[in-house]
Amino acid sequence: GENVEQHPSTLSVQEGDSAVIKCTYSDSASNYFPWYKQELGKRPQLIIDIRSNVGEKKDQRIAVTLNKTAKHFSLHITETQPEDSAVYFCAASYSSGGYQKVTFGTGTKLQVIP
Amino acid sequence: NAGVTQTPKFQVLKTGQSMTLQCAQDMNHEYMSWYRQDPGMGLRLIHYSVGAGITDQGEVPNGYNVSRSTTEDFPLRLLSAAPSQTSVYFCASRSFQGPAFFGQGTRLTVV
Repeated sequence: GENVEQHPSTLSVQEGDSAVIKCTYSDSASNYFPWYKQELGKRPQLIIDIRSNVGEKKDQRIAVTLNKTAKHFSLHITETQPEDSAVYFCAASYSSGGYQKVTFGTGTKLQVIP
Repeated sequence: NAGVTQTPKFQVLKTGQSMTLQCAQDMNHEYMSWYRQDPGMGLRLIHYSVGAGITDQGEVPNGYNVSRSTTEDFPLRLLSAAPSQTSVYFCASRSFQGPAFFGQGTRLTVV
């Protein structure tokens, strides 16, 4: 099965700085990579995603990059704000037995210091 | 369009009691899943379903049962609650190659 590793587990940045979270995956057949943000006490919610036919995707201050050769993808948040403080999860989606399965990373707790 | 509706939000059980967590989605998604979230351990898959009448075990299935009689509903049953099942539970649904939509979560405490 797929294995997704996520680093770092915790990250503290000053407000206005950039934050980068990295994930690696093991199954080269993985073709869809979503990122989720989970605020304290809330449900995880999709913030951005990328498919394997694209190398980079951007949405305002958030961007995701994908390197299929190295099997890693990263979340980049620029000009961080206190409301970016949350736990971020990466995930990799792949086909297994005719079904599409999803494996989540273990999460990164981001703290933005005002 | 309510998305994924999960109930209850909070529950306290005594060891040995049983209960059912309810999950319903109105997006006509084929895939539904149950996860538990424990501190420092991310989201661990309990059971999942790829369509009505089809379920399978995830990473941590012991002590839990599921059924999928309709596309919309995917209840999770705790057969005999144990303190180790104290956790936050999330139901999620998604289409074949789409993102997951999560329910609001259930904070379960077993005493």
